[in-house]
Amino acid sequence: GEDVEQSLFLSVREGDSSVINCTYTDSSSTYLYWYKQEPGAGLQLLTYIFSNMDMKQDQRLTVLLNKKDKHLSLRIADTQTGDSAIYFCAERRGYNTDKLIFGTGTRLQVFP
Amino acid sequence: ETGVTQSPTHLIKTRGQQVTLRCSSQSGHNTVSWYQQALGQGPQFIFQYYREEENGRGNFPPRFSGLQFPNYSSELNVNALELDDSALYLCASSGRQGLRETQYFGPGTRLLVL
Repeated sequence: GEDVEQSLFLSVREGDSSVINCTYTDSSSTYLYWYKQEPGAGLQLLTYIFSNMDMKQDQRLTVLLNKKDKHLSLRIADTQTGDSAIYFCAERRGYNTDKLIFGTGTRLQVFP
Repeated sequence: ETGVTQSPTHLIKTRGQQVTLRCSSQSGHNTVSWYQQALGQGPQFIFQYYREEENGRGNFPPRFSGLQFPNYSSELNVNALELDDSALYLCASSGRQGLRETQYFGPGTRLLVL
């Protein structure tokens, strides 16, 4: 199927780490992405990982990929109130298409 | 700022009408994809244009159609609007030569069908 699943909500205290999880179903995924969407806005590309990688770090963001379990996670270190948004994971299947399959999004709420 | 622009930002139409949404891709990008994002959901792929040809389509009826122009800008046309077409419509552009793995989204057009 085309399901990409995420938990709906996550609430963390400012300064703590946030971990947002995503599971996907298709083993032919080539790239996996994390996008951030603030209220009323479009999608901001945060980071992406190629499917033959296990981990990618980019400043406060760490992406972990477990290809065997088809599990992707995004860790945000030192979470700030400005990180409050909806986070979408997305997978791209194959190399000849740019079609992305998005999850339902995780709403991250950061409180002081 | 991604360099991807969309117009208009908001639009209100009535059922049965037709609508045209526009997207200008990031400089150097020759592929444009359109997505529909209903309230509370993730974006759903409508179709993609590469070098002025449709190059992949999602599960949307034929009343959703598009165009890509020689400058790689694009239009999304929706005929016979239905209430369920109310959504945020996003376009994304992607490039070549090492940038093909990334897609950059515009701010979207919010369409309300009454």
